[in-house]
Amino acid sequence: SQQGEEDPQALSIQEGENATMNCSYKTSINNLQWYRQNSGRGLVHLILIRSNEREKHSGRLRVTLDTSKKSSSLLITASRAADTASYFCARRSSASKIIFGSGTRLSIRP
Amino acid sequence: DARVTQTPRHKVTEMGQEVTMRCQPILGHNTVFWYRQTMMQGLELLAYFRNRAPLDDSGMPKDRFSAEMPDATLATLKIQPSEPRDSAVYFCASGFTEGNYNSPLHFGNGTRLTVT
Repeated sequence: SQQGEEDPQALSIQEGENATMNCSYKTSINNLQWYRQNSGRGLVHLILIRSNEREKHSGRLRVTLDTSKKSSSLLITASRAADTASYFCARRSSASKIIFGSGTRLSIRP
Repeated sequence: DARVTQTPRHKVTEMGQEVTMRCQPILGHNTVFWYRQTMMQGLELLAYFRNRAPLDDSGMPKDRFSAEMPDATLATLKIQPSEPRDSAVYFCASGFTEGNYNSPLHFGNGTRLTVT
C-alpha cells in the first residue's frame, strides 16, 4: 500500500476540546507534512516538519515527530466548528515522492 | 492568490470513452503530482513530474492511463478506454523542489470523474 497509517479514522469532539491525530509510516522520510481537506475541495497544506525537527507550532496547531518510532501527531487546540474536515499526513521520501496517509475525519460538535 | 487550476471539475462519461483531465500548475513550480481519491483507497499517487520529466508513474495502470506535461503550464492525465472502476476524484498538485528542499503542495479542486 502507498499509504501510511493514521488513527483514528474518525474523531468526534465537542467544540473547545483538543483534537489529536496520529500518523505512522514505514520508510525513512525527509520531511512530513499535514494537510486538511474540506468536503469537495482539494487539500490545503497546514504544516511541514523536517526529519531533524521534533516539534513545530502554527497558531492552534502543534505537530510532533518521532523518527525513532516513525510516527507524528497533529494536535488542534481549542477546536472550532470550522475545524471540521479530513486531515492527512504526507511523507516525502527520496526523489520528491510524496505519499499521503488514509486520513482522519474530524467532526466538531457545537 | 496563485492557484492550481483543474478542468473539467466534473466529467460523466460512458465506459470505453477517452477522458482527458487538465491541470495548470502554479507558475514557478517545478513538480506536478497526480493523485486519485476514492473512499476505498484514499489518496493514491498516480504519477509525478519534475521539470516536466516523469519521475515515477508506477502507481498508474499503464495499459489505459497516460500522463504528460506538454509544457510547463499544462499537465494532462488521459484514460483510454475508461472503465467504471476509474470513477474517482482526480487531483493535481504542484510544488517546488530543489535538492533537499521541497515546498508544500498546492492542490487543485479536482476533477470528479464518473464512468457509467
